[in-house]
Amino acid sequence: NAGVTQTPKFRVLKTGQSMTLLCAQDMNHEYMYWYRQDPGMGLRLIHYSVGEGTTAKGEVPDGYNVSRLKKQNFLLGLESAAPSQTSVYFCASTPRSAGELFFGEGSRLTVL
Amino acid sequence: QQQVKQSPQSLIVQKGGISIINCAYENTAFDYFPWYQQFPGKGPALLIAIRPDVSEKKEGRFTISFNKSAKQFSLHIMDSQPGDSATYFCAALSGVNTGFQKLVFGTGTRLLVSP
Repeated sequence: NAGVTQTPKFRVLKTGQSMTLLCAQDMNHEYMYWYRQDPGMGLRLIHYSVGEGTTAKGEVPDGYNVSRLKKQNFLLGLESAAPSQTSVYFCASTPRSAGELFFGEGSRLTVL
Repeated sequence: QQQVKQSPQSLIVQKGGISIINCAYENTAFDYFPWYQQFPGKGPALLIAIRPDVSEKKEGRFTISFNKSAKQFSLHIMDSQPGDSATYFCAALSGVNTGFQKLVFGTGTRLLVSP
């Protein structure tokens, strides 16, 4: 099993450009999450989903949108990228509410 | 506002020594405290976890000590090895009363075990 797969792994954007990060999991997990990791800040929750067709805001949702049209996929979108969104983004999933999260390997985004 | 405070930010330990990472929290509703280990270029992975009804949990060389009254918990790595060099995150589970639980992470500790 692949587990949690994130694409792309690296991306460089210019300010104002848009992009979508894709997270796919093959473990049939109900819950999925998007976190961002910044030096000295730990992991901060952006958005999460408790099931297909549902999404909710986390700690730092501004500037991001998400969609969960299929149970196995969770998309994170940036409509107008800003330098403050330069970060490493991690997707995670779990078969039940939190507890052990299974993380992808991350997507490094640089906004110039 | 950091709900889980972690220290130190970085740590260098000699091979065979004991690595100690500390975390403190304020929210008494937290009821699950995991530690995640992250190697460079990889996502975090669950290392060990504890519930507040026990004061200590040990798995191999890794031990969590939990002090409920002080609202503190710590990770001890005995006989530290170069392969333990990684970033460690403590976390706490919140949202018990809302029906959805999500993890709150500490800021991370970068551990380097020198040969």
